[in-house]
Amino acid sequence: GNSVTQMEGPVTLSEEAFLTINCTYTATGYPSLFWYVQYPGEGLQLLLKATKADDKGSNKGFEATYRKETTSFHLEKGSVQVSDSAVYFCALSSGNTPLVFGKGTRLSVIA
Amino acid sequence: EAGVAQSPRYKIIEKRQSVAFWCNPISGHATLYWYQQILGQGPKLLIQFQNNGVVDDSQLPKDRFSAERLKGVDSTLKIQPAKLEDSAVYLCASIPAGGLAGRTGELFFGEGSRLTVL
Repeated sequence: GNSVTQMEGPVTLSEEAFLTINCTYTATGYPSLFWYVQYPGEGLQLLLKATKADDKGSNKGFEATYRKETTSFHLEKGSVQVSDSAVYFCALSSGNTPLVFGKGTRLSVIA
Repeated sequence: EAGVAQSPRYKIIEKRQSVAFWCNPISGHATLYWYQQILGQGPKLLIQFQNNGVVDDSQLPKDRFSAERLKGVDSTLKIQPAKLEDSAVYLCASIPAGGLAGRTGELFFGEGSRLTVL
């Protein structure tokens, strides 16, 4: 079945540091890949997505590239801010199947 | 546009008691999901509705969990009797129509209902 594996947290970074959160997946067919973010006290919201191989999703300075050869969708940001502190979830969907989420990675950015 | 509304935000009960959570999706959204998010884990789908019909309830523990969406709008998720392992955040999400989640991935989530079972 479909599954997502993402790096364990928590991740603690200083402001302006480079961020990478690894995500790999297992899926049948050609899945779409997503990163969701959950800020403290708020609901999950879509951060970015990629629907086919080699696509790059980007939003709010975050980027992730759909790599079919390595079945990966790593999240990156060149310079994190305190406001980026949140829990990040990698997710996938194949065809009309509901989203399958990873376990989440908590990011804390300190000033 | 109003978002997905859920209530209550927090509930503490003792094991073997019952609890109900309510969700009102975004107006016009035909598809509604209930997810369970246990601490330290990602959300896990419990049930998917398309209008007032169940599309997928394969992961719903039917001996204790039930859900309904009688008029195809708001939905209720019930747990009876609750167990300690049901402590989690119950998330409701909606999308405009069935099948779009696979292509757009943009589920609209409520803030969740946090359940603590003692």
